Amino acid sequence: DQQVKQNSPSLSVQEGRISILNCDYTNSMFDYFLWYKKYPAEGPTFLISISSIKDKNEDGRFTVFLNKSAKHLSLHIVPSQPGDSAVYFCAASPFTGTASKLTFGTGTRLQVTL
Amino acid sequence: EAQVTQNPRYLITVTGKKLTVTCSQNMNHEYMSWYRQDPGLGLRQIYYSMNVEVTDKGDVPEGYKVSRKEKRNFPLILESPSPNQTSLYFCASRKTNRDTQYFGPGTRLTVL
Repeated sequence: DQQVKQNSPSLSVQEGRISILNCDYTNSMFDYFLWYKKYPAEGPTFLISISSIKDKNEDGRFTVFLNKSAKHLSLHIVPSQPGDSAVYFCAASPFTGTASKLTFGTGTRLQVTL
Repeated sequence: EAQVTQNPRYLITVTGKKLTVTCSQNMNHEYMSWYRQDPGLGLRQIYYSMNVEVTDKGDVPEGYKVSRKEKRNFPLILESPSPNQTSLYFCASRKTNRDTQYFGPGTRLTVL
């Protein structure tokens, strides 16, 4: 049962344009969401997060939007750069007060072309 | 430099031969986890630990063991590896369950 879904395995965007990566979740207990970026032969690195009390969080060229009613979040990258080419994972965590599991999506491979 | 290290980075072994993948972090983090990454399945959590001597199962714990005797180390043990455990493994750590999670560089395991 895939609780976090990234339905687009790959995305190609021209340099300078906007990249939009989507993520859907099914578990209503999830209240904290993160995006990770992964280059080949490296571990994932944290990009940006959002708590369920917000609907938008921005950090430089990266913005994450959360639509709780639709159980959907998206990552916008503007403007896209060749160095953004990587696999992007969406992840979600329920608030349990002490410890929590992190559930990842299957990833979207972004290619930014010149 | 703050980091999570894993050893070995690459390992080819045969079915049934016990192996251990080590993980160490130098950030004094309480939380540590092991994940495996497989094509089309993303990252799936195997085990996690909230502190020394406190561990719990993730989504795919079958065939794996872990231990947390010291805060900095969180080894992953495969008592009797099988070919379906061929995968890319990542160790990760974070200070609290809301902090940024830092990942190690990965261990690519092949079980023949």
